[in-house]
Amino acid sequence: DTAVSQTPKYLVTQMGNDKSIKCEQNLGHDTMYWYKQDSKKFLKIMFSYNNKELIINETVPNRFSPKSPDKAHLNLHINSLELGDSAVYFCASSQVVHVSGNTIYFGEGSWLTVV
Amino acid sequence: GDSVTQMEGPVTLSEEAFLTINCTYTATGYPSLFWYVQYPGEGLQLLLKATKADDKGSNKGFEATYRKETTSFHLEKGSVQVSDSAVYFCALSSDKLIFGTGTRLQVFP
Repeated sequence: DTAVSQTPKYLVTQMGNDKSIKCEQNLGHDTMYWYKQDSKKFLKIMFSYNNKELIINETVPNRFSPKSPDKAHLNLHINSLELGDSAVYFCASSQVVHVSGNTIYFGEGSWLTVV
Repeated sequence: GDSVTQMEGPVTLSEEAFLTINCTYTATGYPSLFWYVQYPGEGLQLLLKATKADDKGSNKGFEATYRKETTSFHLEKGSVQVSDSAVYFCALSSDKLIFGTGTRLQVFP
């Protein structure tokens, strides 16, 4: 069973469209995250949620709206897609909100290309 | 703020060569340290971790020791294989996970 699964794995879409990436974890973790990896492989946190509540929002444009219907799911909706949104988006989870000492488990990534 | 610095790549080695990828960090408090690996076309996998000073993390022949005095967590492997070719990320955790910029390793037969 995949611990952190996200769909779709690949997504090609036009500028201006709205798209969503879904994420589910079956580890029973309380905390979930979205990370963005740019073309230079640099990884940066976007959001974290703990038990459906937003904990971290790293000055991400408000075109990005995470939604957590329950603690096992954290979806990412992106409005009015721009070329610069092209990246790999990783969903992740950890047992508790304070990361130190706890392992973060990552999904396989969603490759978003905006054309 | 907290940060991680790792050596620029790519690191190119022949099979069975010794590997070192340097990683240093800046942090307030006592973070945990991690190495993650990303194989081509795949997601991130935890390779190893250390949660306090002098701890050694190890997995799949890779090792790294948490050195508080030098604020380092260098990744080593005694004999690399072609299958080790990947991008390696050093990371620290305090209230969130902060990654270095990644180091690409290429191993040739």
